[in-house]
Amino acid sequence: NAGVTQTPKFQVLKTGQSMTLQCAQDMNHNSMYWYRQDPGMGLRLIYYSASEGTTDKGEVPNGYNVSRLNKREFSLRLESAAPSQTSVYFCASSAAGLNTEAFFGQGTRLTVV
Amino acid sequence: GENVEQHPSTLSVQEGDSAVIKCTYSDSASNYFPWYKQELGKRPQLIIDIRSNVGEKKDQRIAVTLNKTAKHFSLHITETQPEDSAVYFCAARGGGGNKLTFGTGTQLKVEL
Repeated sequence: NAGVTQTPKFQVLKTGQSMTLQCAQDMNHNSMYWYRQDPGMGLRLIYYSASEGTTDKGEVPNGYNVSRLNKREFSLRLESAAPSQTSVYFCASSAAGLNTEAFFGQGTRLTVV
Repeated sequence: GENVEQHPSTLSVQEGDSAVIKCTYSDSASNYFPWYKQELGKRPQLIIDIRSNVGEKKDQRIAVTLNKTAKHFSLHITETQPEDSAVYFCAARGGGGNKLTFGTGTQLKVEL
């Protein structure tokens, strides 16, 4: 039981390049989330998916797209990376219902130069 | 949408003292309030949570209180130890959808 797995752990991109961050969970959770973490700004929600086939914008969605490929996988895509997207990205998942714990992946440290 | 404010941003205490971190939220429909601890270079991990129908919850040295009328909740750590040093995040969920909104974090340092 691996929990929430993110790949890659580290990535350096040049401005304008594209990439996809992968996230998979093996806990049969309905809800999945993508957050970015920047110093002094906490964890800000980029996108989330309440269930397979649905996605919704969070607080900072601009410059990102997501795909809920199936119940296990939720990917985050940067179409044209910008230095402002340098951050640590966390994927998380939780079971259905409002009062359930969110489990986090180990994070992806992305640097855009 | 929900807005969660967290104070203080940094907190330094002596070993054995108590630490208190406070959060306020804006959406009166929120009904789930977790607290996460993040050690340096690690992922956030849940340490305690509270539902809206409960005013206080305790787990060993950690306790959380919730005041729904005032829309604020607090984390209390007693008898602090060096291993309590970390960043702590509060969060709120509920109301419109299943979004989990986090505060900006508190860097707690426990000094010997």
